[in-house]
Amino acid sequence: DTGVSQNPRHKITKRGQNVTFRCDPISEHNRLYWYRQTLGQGPEFLTYFQNEAQLEKSRLLSDRFSAERPKGSFSTLEIQRTEQGDSAMYLCASSWSGAARGEQFFGPGTRLTVL
Amino acid sequence: GNSVTQMEGPVTLSEEAFLTINCTYTATGYPSLFWYVQYPGEGLQLLLKATKADDKGSNKGFEATYRKETTSFHLEKGSVQVSDSAVYFCALSTPNTGNQFYFGTGTSLTVIP
Repeated sequence: DTGVSQNPRHKITKRGQNVTFRCDPISEHNRLYWYRQTLGQGPEFLTYFQNEAQLEKSRLLSDRFSAERPKGSFSTLEIQRTEQGDSAMYLCASSWSGAARGEQFFGPGTRLTVL
Repeated sequence: GNSVTQMEGPVTLSEEAFLTINCTYTATGYPSLFWYVQYPGEGLQLLLKATKADDKGSNKGFEATYRKETTSFHLEKGSVQVSDSAVYFCALSTPNTGNQFYFGTGTSLTVIP
Protein backbone atom coordinates (compact mmCIF):
# COMPACT_ATOMS: atom_id res chain seq x y z
CA ASP A 1 0.00 0.00 0.00
CA THR A 2 1.61 3.22 -1.14
CA GLY A 3 -0.88 5.60 0.41
CA VAL A 4 -2.98 8.25 -1.26
CA SER A 5 -1.44 9.68 -4.41
CA GLN A 6 -2.31 12.85 -6.28
CA ASN A 7 -1.34 14.07 -9.71
CA PRO A 8 -0.04 16.42 -10.76
CA ARG A 9 1.79 17.75 -7.75
CA HIS A 10 1.96 21.22 -9.24
CA LYS A 11 -0.14 22.93 -11.89
CA ILE A 12 0.35 26.39 -13.31
CA THR A 13 -2.38 27.65 -15.59
CA LYS A 14 -3.68 30.86 -17.05
CA ARG A 15 -6.89 32.46 -15.93
CA GLY A 16 -9.85 31.07 -17.85
CA GLN A 17 -8.34 27.65 -18.52
CA ASN A 18 -9.79 24.39 -17.24
CA VAL A 19 -7.77 22.11 -14.98
CA THR A 20 -8.28 18.56 -13.77
CA PHE A 21 -6.63 16.86 -10.81
CA ARG A 22 -6.52 13.16 -10.07
CA CYS A 23 -6.55 11.33 -6.76
CA ASP A 24 -5.86 7.64 -6.21
CA PRO A 25 -6.97 6.56 -2.73
CA ILE A 26 -5.74 3.69 -0.61
CA SER A 27 -7.13 0.66 -2.41
CA GLU A 28 -9.34 -0.74 0.34
CA HIS A 29 -10.86 2.63 1.24
CA ASN A 30 -14.37 3.30 -0.03
CA ARG A 31 -14.60 6.96 0.98
CA LEU A 32 -12.77 9.73 -0.80
CA TYR A 33 -12.72 13.41 0.21
CA TRP A 34 -11.55 16.60 -1.47
CA TYR A 35 -10.33 19.64 0.47
CA ARG A 36 -8.87 22.99 -0.44
CA GLN A 37 -6.14 24.63 1.61
CA THR A 38 -5.16 28.25 1.15
CA LEU A 39 -2.05 29.83 2.60
CA GLY A 40 -2.16 30.12 6.36
CA GLN A 41 -5.46 28.28 6.67
CA GLY A 42 -6.57 24.77 7.51
CA PRO A 43 -8.04 22.51 4.85
CA GLU A 44 -11.62 23.31 3.85
CA PHE A 45 -13.97 20.48 2.90
CA LEU A 46 -15.30 20.48 -0.68
CA THR A 47 -16.99 17.15 -1.40
CA TYR A 48 -16.87 13.44 -0.73
CA PHE A 49 -17.73 10.09 -2.26
CA GLN A 50 -18.68 6.76 -0.86
CA ASN A 51 -17.81 4.27 -3.55
CA GLU A 52 -18.97 5.99 -6.76
CA ALA A 53 -21.77 8.01 -5.11
CA GLN A 54 -21.12 11.67 -4.40
CA LEU A 55 -22.85 12.10 -1.05
CA GLU A 56 -22.09 15.75 -0.38
CA LYS A 57 -21.35 18.45 -2.90
CA SER A 58 -23.03 21.52 -1.52
CA ARG A 59 -19.68 22.76 -0.23
CA LEU A 60 -18.11 22.91 -3.67
CA LEU A 61 -17.09 26.52 -4.06
CA SER A 62 -19.04 27.30 -7.20
CA ASP A 63 -20.57 25.59 -10.20
CA ARG A 64 -17.16 25.81 -11.86
CA PHE A 65 -16.03 23.00 -9.55
CA SER A 66 -17.02 19.41 -10.19
CA ALA A 67 -15.78 16.00 -9.08
CA GLU A 68 -16.25 12.46 -10.25
CA ARG A 69 -15.42 8.99 -9.06
CA PRO A 70 -16.79 6.87 -11.91
CA LYS A 71 -15.79 3.39 -10.78
CA GLY A 72 -15.44 3.95 -7.09
CA SER A 73 -11.67 3.98 -7.28
CA PHE A 74 -9.77 7.08 -8.40
CA SER A 75 -11.41 10.50 -8.46
CA THR A 76 -10.97 13.67 -10.48
CA LEU A 77 -11.61 17.26 -9.47
CA GLU A 78 -12.17 19.71 -12.31
CA ILE A 79 -12.16 23.47 -12.15
CA GLN A 80 -13.53 25.24 -15.20
CA ARG A 81 -12.68 28.81 -16.22
CA THR A 82 -10.08 29.16 -13.48
CA GLU A 83 -9.74 32.40 -11.57
CA GLN A 84 -6.78 33.74 -9.61
CA GLY A 85 -8.70 33.11 -6.40
CA ASP A 86 -8.63 29.39 -7.18
CA SER A 87 -4.90 29.30 -6.46
CA ALA A 88 -4.52 26.93 -3.53
CA MET A 89 -3.45 23.45 -2.50
CA TYR A 90 -6.06 20.81 -3.33
CA LEU A 91 -5.96 17.82 -1.00
CA CYS A 92 -7.46 14.41 -1.35
CA ALA A 93 -8.06 12.01 1.53
CA SER A 94 -9.50 8.53 1.86
CA SER A 95 -10.97 6.41 4.62
CA TRP A 96 -12.96 3.27 5.28
CA SER A 97 -16.60 3.89 6.16
CA GLY A 98 -16.62 0.88 8.46
CA ALA A 99 -14.30 2.74 10.80
CA ALA A 100 -17.02 5.08 11.99
CA ARG A 101 -14.73 7.44 13.82
CA GLY A 102 -11.52 6.72 12.03
CA GLU A 103 -8.97 8.99 10.59
CA GLN A 104 -8.60 10.09 7.02
CA PHE A 105 -5.38 9.49 5.12
CA PHE A 106 -4.21 12.46 3.11
CA GLY A 107 -2.34 12.69 -0.14
CA PRO A 108 0.48 15.16 -0.75
CA GLY A 109 -1.80 17.60 -2.55
CA THR A 110 -1.85 19.39 -5.89
CA ARG A 111 -0.70 22.99 -5.78
CA LEU A 112 -2.57 25.12 -8.29
CA THR A 113 -1.28 28.51 -9.39
CA VAL A 114 -3.54 30.58 -11.62
CA LEU A 115 -1.74 33.40 -13.43
CA GLY B 1 -22.62 23.95 13.12
CA ASN B 2 -19.18 22.43 13.49
CA SER B 3 -16.04 24.48 13.90
CA VAL B 4 -12.57 24.38 15.43
CA THR B 5 -10.74 27.29 17.00
CA GLN B 6 -7.03 26.86 17.34
CA MET B 7 -4.34 28.85 19.06
CA GLU B 8 -2.67 31.17 16.61
CA GLY B 9 1.02 31.04 15.99
CA PRO B 10 3.70 31.08 15.14
CA VAL B 11 5.17 29.49 18.23
CA THR B 12 8.91 29.41 18.80
CA LEU B 13 10.38 27.28 21.58
CA SER B 14 13.79 26.20 22.68
CA GLU B 15 14.62 22.52 22.56
CA GLU B 16 13.33 20.60 25.62
CA ALA B 17 10.71 23.24 26.41
CA PHE B 18 7.11 22.34 27.24
CA LEU B 19 4.56 22.73 24.45
CA THR B 20 0.86 23.49 24.64
CA ILE B 21 -1.28 24.30 21.61
CA ASN B 22 -4.86 25.15 22.50
CA CYS B 23 -7.82 23.83 20.56
CA THR B 24 -11.52 24.29 21.28
CA TYR B 25 -14.43 23.10 19.23
CA THR B 26 -18.13 23.50 18.54
CA ALA B 27 -19.99 20.48 17.27
CA THR B 28 -23.43 19.05 16.77
CA GLY B 29 -23.56 15.44 17.79
CA TYR B 30 -20.59 13.58 19.20
CA PRO B 31 -17.38 14.43 17.40
CA SER B 32 -14.13 12.57 17.10
CA LEU B 33 -11.13 14.82 17.62
CA PHE B 34 -7.78 14.72 15.86
CA TRP B 35 -4.41 16.37 15.70
CA TYR B 36 -2.67 16.30 12.33
CA VAL B 37 0.89 17.45 11.64
CA GLN B 38 2.34 18.82 8.43
CA TYR B 39 6.12 18.79 8.16
CA PRO B 40 7.75 21.12 5.63
CA GLY B 41 7.11 19.90 2.09
CA GLU B 42 5.00 16.96 3.21
CA GLY B 43 1.33 16.05 3.43
CA LEU B 44 -0.89 15.93 6.49
CA GLN B 45 -0.16 13.05 8.86
CA LEU B 46 -2.29 11.89 11.74
CA LEU B 47 -0.56 12.59 15.04
CA LEU B 48 -3.21 11.38 17.49
CA LYS B 49 -6.93 11.06 17.95
CA ALA B 50 -9.66 10.61 20.57
CA THR B 51 -13.14 9.37 19.83
CA LYS B 52 -15.08 9.99 23.04
CA ALA B 53 -15.08 12.18 26.12
CA ASP B 54 -12.15 11.73 28.53
CA ASP B 55 -10.17 9.69 26.00
CA LYS B 56 -6.49 10.58 25.81
CA GLY B 57 -4.72 10.29 22.50
CA SER B 58 -0.96 9.96 22.52
CA ASN B 59 1.86 9.47 20.04
CA LYS B 60 5.56 10.36 19.81
CA GLY B 61 5.44 12.04 23.22
CA PHE B 62 2.45 14.22 22.29
CA GLU B 63 -0.80 13.95 24.24
CA ALA B 64 -4.27 15.44 24.07
CA THR B 65 -7.34 14.75 26.22
CA TYR B 66 -10.91 15.03 24.91
CA ARG B 67 -12.62 17.39 27.39
CA LYS B 68 -16.34 17.55 26.71
CA GLU B 69 -17.06 19.93 29.60
CA THR B 70 -14.71 22.56 28.21
CA THR B 71 -15.06 21.47 24.53
CA SER B 72 -11.28 21.34 24.27
CA PHE B 73 -8.55 19.09 22.90
CA HIS B 74 -5.28 20.82 23.77
CA LEU B 75 -2.05 19.34 22.43
CA GLU B 76 0.88 18.96 24.85
CA LYS B 77 4.43 17.66 24.81
CA GLY B 78 6.75 17.71 27.74
CA SER B 79 10.03 18.23 25.88
CA VAL B 80 10.07 19.34 22.27
CA GLN B 81 12.81 18.57 19.80
CA VAL B 82 14.01 20.39 16.71
CA SER B 83 12.41 17.63 14.64
CA ASP B 84 8.97 18.63 15.99
CA SER B 85 9.10 21.84 13.94
CA ALA B 86 5.98 21.68 11.78
CA VAL B 87 2.43 23.00 11.43
CA TYR B 88 -0.13 21.38 13.72
CA PHE B 89 -3.83 21.20 12.87
CA CYS B 90 -6.68 20.37 15.21
CA ALA B 91 -9.70 18.80 13.53
CA LEU B 92 -13.04 17.20 14.27
CA SER B 93 -15.41 14.92 12.43
CA THR B 94 -18.94 13.72 13.12
CA PRO B 95 -20.71 10.70 11.62
CA ASN B 96 -23.83 12.75 10.83
CA THR B 97 -21.80 14.85 8.37
CA GLY B 98 -20.19 11.93 6.59
CA ASN B 99 -17.09 12.23 8.75
CA GLN B 100 -15.91 15.23 6.78
CA PHE B 101 -13.20 17.01 8.71
CA TYR B 102 -13.41 20.52 10.11
CA PHE B 103 -9.94 21.93 10.63
CA GLY B 104 -8.52 24.74 12.66
CA THR B 105 -6.27 27.29 11.00
CA GLY B 106 -3.07 25.53 12.07
CA THR B 107 -0.28 26.50 14.45
CA SER B 108 3.27 26.76 13.17
CA LEU B 109 5.87 25.51 15.64
CA THR B 110 9.58 26.20 15.35
CA VAL B 111 11.95 24.57 17.82
CA ILE B 112 15.41 26.10 18.07
CA PRO B 113 18.45 24.26 19.41
